[in-house]
Formats: sequence, C-alpha cells, structure tokens
Amino acid sequence: QSALTQPASVSGSPGQSITISCTGTSSDVGGYNYVSWYQQHPGKAPKLMIYDVSDRPSGVSNRFSGSKSDNTASLTISGLQAEDEADYYCSSYTSSSAVFGTGTKVTVL
Amino acid sequence: QVHLQQSGPGLVKPSQTLLLTCAISGDSVSSNSAAWNWIRQSPSRGLEWLGRTYYRSKWYNDYAVSVKSRININPDTSKNQFSLQLNSVTPEDTAVYYCARDGEWLQYLFGYWGQGTLVTVSS
Repeated sequence: QSALTQPASVSGSPGQSITISCTGTSSDVGGYNYVSWYQQHPGKAPKLMIYDVSDRPSGVSNRFSGSKSDNTASLTISGLQAEDEADYYCSSYTSSSAVFGTGTKVTVL
Repeated sequence: QVHLQQSGPGLVKPSQTLLLTCAISGDSVSSNSAAWNWIRQSPSRGLEWLGRTYYRSKWYNDYAVSVKSRININPDTSKNQFSLQLNSVTPEDTAVYYCARDGEWLQYLFGYWGQGTLVTVSS
C-alpha cells in the first residue's frame, strides 16, 4: 500500500487560512469516507483532529475542518495561530490496513 | 479517559526480537468496542500501521503485509495490556513505536496514543 501524497510544507500568517491536500486512490481515500487527520508536535504522539472526512472529536477547535472530493481529501485551518505550527498527517481506511500520508509541515510566519 | 502507557527496551540487536508492551487504563483490552494497534514512525518510512488485536466474541489479529511474517500482537487480559513482538529485526526497523486505540467499527481511527518508544536496532 503506497503512502498518501501530501505537500511537504505549507505556510501562512497568523489569522490566515491554509489548506493541506491528501491524494490517494479509489482503493483508499476515494473508496471510503474514513479519512482522518492528525496533528503532531515535535517529540509528541499524533493527535486526532478530524475523522470520517469532516467530523471533529470533542475538544478540537472548529478552526479545523475537513472535506473530500474524489481521491483527494483536504484539511483547512482557518484563523491560523502560532500553536497550529506542527506536522499534519492524513490517514485512510483500506480493506486491509490503514495508510498514512507523507506528512505536511505547517509553518506560521 | 483512556490512557496508554508503553514500556520496553530502546535498543535491540540485529536478528533479535523487539518486544514492547502497552498498558491500558480507562478501558479494557477485551472490550467489544475497541481495537488495539501498533504503529511506527521513521524518517524513511513515515507513519506505518503494523497491526492490531481486538475481541469480538473471540480474538482477532490483523497485520500489515510488510511485516506479516515477523509480527505477533498479543492481548494479556490478566494485566489489561497488549504487546508487540517483531522478530528478526534489522536496522530498517529502527523507529518510534506507538500503541493506539481504534474504535468499535475498526475504521483505523486512532483517538488515543501511547507516548511512543524509540527503538534502535544496532549491534
């Protein structure tokens, strides 16, 4: 199973909105509405931010939103804040395993 | 609130067996609405799901194709924990290993993670 493709880096100024893409195939992202997004700060475990394409776990800011079109999922962070600077990973269900994205480093300028 | 606490050695010699344990609090390894996973992360391979164990009237295991011939994930109901055994390790297995909890529907939805264990394979 090949990793999902994400841009290596995305940056934005405080208050701006940014979007991270996650491209897969019809066997993963395009085939199921089970895309998740994780935030990871240096030296920490990943934290679930979005699940089932667009749902937020309790306690996650509504500045984080998710969507999907065909084989590409997207994570949008609105009102960018300094604390949002981290690595972000998408993940998708497949019939035999989980597959993760290559990761995107978000920099707050 | 679920808490996962990992333990195990940080250094393993090539060809030997990697063994890590994940102790669960706030949930049960025998729960019918959870699955217990191992995931690793390295600069070369990124995040990689390794496998899971779960109970649905009986015990099940699923493993990633990449490690299927070398891996065992076992529940320990007496201690409410589960373990990862990875045999015949090579330097390619050097990574941070995480345990993580998936939910009832087995969607690979990891809402709780252990703290991570850096395992280095070196002589």
